[in-house]
Amino acid sequence: GQSLEQPSEVTAVEGAIVQINCTYQTSGFYGLSWYQQHDGGAPTFLSYNALDGLEETGRFSSFLSRSDSYGYLLLQELQMKDSASYFCAVSGNTPLVFGKGTRLSVIA
Amino acid sequence: GAGVSQSPSNKVTEKGKDVELRCDPISGHTALYWYRQSLGQGLEFLIYFQGNSAPDKSGLPSDRFSAERTGGSVSTLTIQRTQQEDSAVYLCASSLARNSYNEQFFGPGTRLTVL
Repeated sequence: GQSLEQPSEVTAVEGAIVQINCTYQTSGFYGLSWYQQHDGGAPTFLSYNALDGLEETGRFSSFLSRSDSYGYLLLQELQMKDSASYFCAVSGNTPLVFGKGTRLSVIA
Repeated sequence: GAGVSQSPSNKVTEKGKDVELRCDPISGHTALYWYRQSLGQGLEFLIYFQGNSAPDKSGLPSDRFSAERTGGSVSTLTIQRTQQEDSAVYLCASSLARNSYNEQFFGPGTRLTVL
């Protein structure tokens, strides 16, 4: 089967950097995705990693280590609007499986 | 262009009634997914359609749940004899193909409340 672990809550200060970790167990790994979901909204795609290393997209970066079954999402220059839930998701032999999400609260 | 749309946005029903939830995917997207999200929880996979292939129903929680996709486009999720534990937001998503690197585009969801 497939399972993912990520912290349930993270709090960070506006302007700071925060890292949200995700460890996974899966059969047949293709890649790790990250989605953002604001309260009451639909999840929106942030990034996808299939190979080891860091992918950067503006203030957001995502990292993957296939050998460690581990990835993280890095958010820099935090803004209040970044307060949301962040889900990691793995794709393997079954359709995308999502973690339970990390609720990020950005405080002034 | 238009995104994924779902209807109704809210549905309140009585225990034991049947409900139908509709999803209109993005035009040209061959893959369509249904998820369920309970309050403060992650997304629970329900069912997946890819083109004309047989759907992957491995996530359906019971035989009260079924879904169909007509003409490779619109999909309907049906819950028969609803129970209070079925209360959740039901999200539909579509993507260009099954390939994992294809991002999924989510609809706004249908909030189902079973009294």
